[in-house]
Amino acid sequence: QSALTQPRSVSGSPGQSVTISCTGTSGDVGNYNYVSWYQQHPGKAPKFMIYDVSKRPSGVPDRFSGSKSGNTASLTISGLQAEDEADYYCCSYAGSYTWMFGGGTKLTVL
Amino acid sequence: EVQLVESGGGLVQSGGSLRLSCAASGFTFSDYWMHWVRQAPGKGPVWVSRINSDGSSTSYADSVKGRFTISRDNAKNTLYVQMSSLRVEDTAMYYCVRDSRYNPESWGRGTQVIVSS
Repeated sequence: QSALTQPRSVSGSPGQSVTISCTGTSGDVGNYNYVSWYQQHPGKAPKFMIYDVSKRPSGVPDRFSGSKSGNTASLTISGLQAEDEADYYCCSYAGSYTWMFGGGTKLTVL
Repeated sequence: EVQLVESGGGLVQSGGSLRLSCAASGFTFSDYWMHWVRQAPGKGPVWVSRINSDGSSTSYADSVKGRFTISRDNAKNTLYVQMSSLRVEDTAMYYCVRDSRYNPESWGRGTQVIVSS
């Protein structure tokens, strides 16, 4: 199985919105509503930002939102802030108690 | 507060073995399925293995099947993975991850494994 497909990089200016896509297959993203998103700063552990496609854990700003259509999930960050600059990874449940992760997207805040 | 602290990583020669541990605190460890996920430098995370809450059921990625063994000690709130016949391509940061309804919810800070040729 291949990793979920994410764009290598995206960028935006402070205050703008960006969207990161995550494309899988009918065996993972398209089949389960267990898509999650992670923020990772260099040298740090991934931080849980979105789960079950569009739910936010407590403490995550509502500037972060998730959605899904077919085999593609998306993370939208609105009102970009400098501290949002990080790597972002998607993850989908892939059946048989396994997970499939994306290759990661580097977000640059210009 | 959920805490997962991995240990046991290091530098090992190809063909060697290592045992990683993950000490859990801040939650009822025995209630949760747990996983190991690894991340090579500059790459996305990759699922490695999982174990159910009482340790009676395990599964592995094809790339490590037959070489890695996941286990847990609920009395000690600790997750393990025994890694043998290590390969250069096993080089990665290894994370202990708590499963929350099919989502990798909580991650430790990781322990680095480097396999040299």
